[in-house]
Amino acid sequence: QQPVQSPQAVILREGEDAVINCSSSKALYSVHWYRQKHGEAPVFLMILLKGGEQKGHDKISASFNEKKQQSSLYLTASQLSYSGTYFCGTGLQGAQKLVFGQGTRLTINP
Amino acid sequence: EAGVVQSPRYKIIEKKQPVAFWCNPISGHNTLYWYRQNLGQGPELLIRYENEEAVDDSQLPKDRFSAERLKGVDSTLKIQPAELGDSAVYLCASSSYEKTDTQYFGPGTRLTVL
Repeated sequence: QQPVQSPQAVILREGEDAVINCSSSKALYSVHWYRQKHGEAPVFLMILLKGGEQKGHDKISASFNEKKQQSSLYLTASQLSYSGTYFCGTGLQGAQKLVFGQGTRLTINP
Repeated sequence: EAGVVQSPRYKIIEKKQPVAFWCNPISGHNTLYWYRQNLGQGPELLIRYENEEAVDDSQLPKDRFSAERLKGVDSTLKIQPAELGDSAVYLCASSSYEKTDTQYFGPGTRLTVL
């Protein structure tokens, strides 16, 4: 039931792009993306609802492929502040319960 | 707007001792969640409250864990007795009735059981 994230970890240089994937075996209603820095609370990034929409703000965007039950998070021209662990949380329709993936650790080096 | 407040931030106890965590959600948020986050893993839901009612406690180990949310605001999560495997970060989150899809997390309590 837990969504699977890939890759588990990625190391980039500042300015490079990254893609983080989140896949589920269940039919999803929503996908929620969070970023967590070490020792801090997870911070909400965005939510994508059933319908295959794409969202974004600044240089971080995401898509939701309803047929594949997969969401991808895109970070373009990465900044040092993007470092952290990214979690996707998947929600089923009619339920407010989120099930989180195991996380993807992103390291941005100067 | 103040965020979700949790205390203590860190707690170290001996096994078999009791421990309690406190959470104050964002003002006006009627839904409150307790999560456990093991090292290197995503948060796992323990219990969800709608106001003062626990509407989902299926993942709460009820033999040793208990929670309460008196008056539908603050909440306390208790473990008694603690076991070595309980070492984790305990996160509290809240969401509003109008925007149930967005959960706001507190900084968590890091529990170490020796």
